[in-house]
Order: sequence, then structure tokens, then C-alpha cells
Amino acid sequence: GESVGLHLPTLSVQEGDNSIINCAYSNSASDYFIWYKQESGKGPQFIIDIRSNMDKRQGQRVTVLLNKTVKHLSLQIAATQPGDSAVYFCAETQGGSEKLVFGKGTKLTVNP
Amino acid sequence: DAGITQSPRHKVTETGTPVTLRCHQTENHRYMYWYRQDPGHGLRLIHYSYGVKDTDKGEVSDGYSVSRSKTEDFLLTLESATSSQTSVYFCAISATGTGGNYGYTFGSGTRLTVV
Repeated sequence: GESVGLHLPTLSVQEGDNSIINCAYSNSASDYFIWYKQESGKGPQFIIDIRSNMDKRQGQRVTVLLNKTVKHLSLQIAATQPGDSAVYFCAETQGGSEKLVFGKGTKLTVNP
Repeated sequence: DAGITQSPRHKVTETGTPVTLRCHQTENHRYMYWYRQDPGHGLRLIHYSYGVKDTDKGEVSDGYSVSRSKTEDFLLTLESATSSQTSVYFCAISATGTGGNYGYTFGSGTRLTVV
């Protein structure tokens, strides 16, 4: 099975609310994590990344939290907007690998 | 997506026919990847390349072959297409390969239907 997965396959929120998308990983050697956003009919796009020497990283309206103790990653989106509706994937690299391992994705729906 | 182009965007083909998908990049990145995306499976790696004429298999490589004769082009070939290969195919590029510094840049995808 995959070493990266998501707790919830779908998430529905109201416009303006904060969204939290979760991801679990199993490989303690993973040292780099990325969140991607995929809109319908498009390829995944980079949102934010974090390295294993960090616990938190903030971007514009997005925050990624990394809990290495429980091997958990989350993406927080503040003041969610209709344009945030998409599928969100987490991905990891396993120390020195040339490849990313992707989770199955969570579909976020923002209701007006 | 800037710097990476996939062709064709859509294709319908018959079972048993060969099909070639093309990925073209203008970023001069060393690493190129082919993924397929299916409902319930997310993105699964088919093959990847770490340089001209240097390729390796991913987790779902059976029935697929690749070639990279120059830095900018990475071709994915289905030697004899089957219905199970109906999918959306994504190409990705990376300068570092480990995903460092923004990870991969993805193309817009090719929707392949095998009938």
C-alpha cells in the first residue's frame, strides 16, 4: 500500500470558514513534504512545502503543519473561497529518492 | 503549464493499437516523470527519467515503455493499448528529482480512452 494517505476523501466547507486537510505518512525517513492543488481538468499545482526540520510553514492564506511524532501533515486554508474548491494531494520524498509518493487526495468543496 | 507541454490533450484509440504520448519541456530540467491518475488511486508513477537515455520503472510500468533521446522530450508508449489503460496521464518535470525546491511541475494532462 501507499505510505502516504489522507484521513478524509471529501471535505465540504462554507465560504469564509477555515479548512483543514489532513495527511498521514508512514515512513519516518521522509524529509520533505509538499501539498498540491488540482483543479478540474488541470494538472496538480504546488501550494506549499515543508522540510522535516520544521514544524510549521505559512504561505498566503495557507499553513502546513508537520507532526513528526505521529507522522501527520495538515494543510490549513484560511477564509476559504470558492476558488479553493479542488482536490488536494500531499506528497513526500523518502530521503534521497528521486521520486515523490502521492496520497490519494481530498476533494474540497466550498459552498457559497 | 509554463515550460511543460503534453500532447495530445485527448485521444481515443482502439484496443490493441500502439499509442505514444509526448511530454515536452523548455526548462532544461534533468528529471521527467509519467504518472497516471485514476479515481481512487491518485497519482501513480509509470516511468521516470533522470537524464537522456536514462530511465527507470515506477510502480505501474507493465504495458508501458518510455524513451528520452533528448533533454526536452519524454515519450510514453503503450505498445498495445488495453481498456485498463484508459486514464488521465500526467507528465512532470523536476530540476532536482528529490522534490526539493517546489517539487514537480506538472503538465495539463492527456485524457486517453481505449475502446
